[in-house]
Amino acid sequence: QQQVKQSPQSLIVQKGGISIINCAYENTAFDYFPWYQQFPGKGPALLIAIRPDVSEKKEGRFTISFNKSAKQFSLHIMDSQPGDSATYFCAASVRAAGNKLTFGGGTRVLVKP
Amino acid sequence: EAGVAQSPRYKIIEKRQSVAFWCNPISGHATLYWYQQILGQGPKLLIQFQNNGVVDDSQLPKDRFSAERLKGVDSTLKIQPAKLEDSAVYLCASSLDGLGANVLTFGAGSRLTVL
Repeated sequence: QQQVKQSPQSLIVQKGGISIINCAYENTAFDYFPWYQQFPGKGPALLIAIRPDVSEKKEGRFTISFNKSAKQFSLHIMDSQPGDSATYFCAASVRAAGNKLTFGGGTRVLVKP
Repeated sequence: EAGVAQSPRYKIIEKRQSVAFWCNPISGHATLYWYQQILGQGPKLLIQFQNNGVVDDSQLPKDRFSAERLKGVDSTLKIQPAKLEDSAVYLCASSLDGLGANVLTFGAGSRLTVL
């Protein structure tokens, strides 16, 4: 059973534009929501994470928005750059249960110069 | 600090053969995870170790997959016999402990192709 659904599967954005990726989860026990960035041939690397007690977290050009009632969260990449071209995964975990991450299906982002 | 080391990076085998992957986590990290990432999908947890004990192996196909973490450091994931559907990247990750919101650090992965 897929517990974290991610959309879109891919997106193309012009340099300087905004990339938006959405995720929805089913398990209300999830209490930690990280986003990972993966480049070809590399393992996923933590980009930014949020806990459900806040509605938004911003780090540089990356912002997570969280809607607990809707069980949805999203990643916004502002001023997208060609170096942001990668696959992005949302994930969720229950911190007290071993912090095992359940990943979404991934979004391949291509930033055109 | 050194990252999570995995080997081999690439492996091609025939179906029904066996293969083993090795992982060396970040020094001091008590928790180690093996994930399977099929092309075009998100990683899926196979097994989690806390030191040298298994915390969760509910998603591990135990009829063909096995894993161990002797002495609570390095880990080995074995597949025997391999099936075509085992073609994937096998990612090892480690974290300081399995509690709270500790960051999982992933290795570059071992890409398996089963012919």
